[in-house]
Amino acid sequence: GAVVSQHPSRVICKSGTSVKIECRSLDFQATTMFWYRQFPKQSLMLMATSNEGSKATYEQGVEKDKFLINHASLTLSTLTVTSAHPEDSSFYICSASEASDTQYFGPGTRLTVL
Amino acid sequence: RKEVEQDPGPFNVPEGATVAFNCTYSNSASQSFFWYRQDCRKEPKLLMSVYSSGNEDGRFTAQLNRASQYISLLIRDSKLSDSATYLCVAPVMDTGRRALTFGSGTRLQVQP
Repeated sequence: GAVVSQHPSRVICKSGTSVKIECRSLDFQATTMFWYRQFPKQSLMLMATSNEGSKATYEQGVEKDKFLINHASLTLSTLTVTSAHPEDSSFYICSASEASDTQYFGPGTRLTVL
Repeated sequence: RKEVEQDPGPFNVPEGATVAFNCTYSNSASQSFFWYRQDCRKEPKLLMSVYSSGNEDGRFTAQLNRASQYISLLIRDSKLSDSATYLCVAPVMDTGRRALTFGSGTRLQVQP
């Protein structure tokens, strides 16, 4: 099956720093990648949709200047949390899709901002 | 109204029991749905797709009721390993977008 990796799997940082999370599709070309966030005991919430070579589409309430998304190639998308604060602590999960509706999820990145 | 709603549970059932979850959706134009399984602190994994004709895979059966706008997941002969949170998922109905909307999940605990 299709494999999606995320790096790092866990990160702890100080308030005010920026954190970059990578999402890679390992054995297929992902025309679209999605970034989700999950707070404890809540469901996944879509943050943004990213198409290769174009600007990401952000969901309502998600600050695009704070959550920078780059999808420069068909196998890599990055999410940068700029000037992270404790309230940004969450489980960030990416998914990748080829042409169908099937999305393959990465293992997630647990971000803790102190 | 949320796009996808689920009973959060938890459902506590003994091994071997049959358990069913329902999920209601608000957008009558939705054509396909999915059930995902999520273990604690892990990413969601696709369990099965649900189309108008339903779907069966071993002990798992998913059905779609368009008239009442709900989908169901039936698990027969529950195993301890079935303990997880089951997420009902629908596609986002915006033109040109293929994102997913997740329900809040139903937690299942299978007990020995």
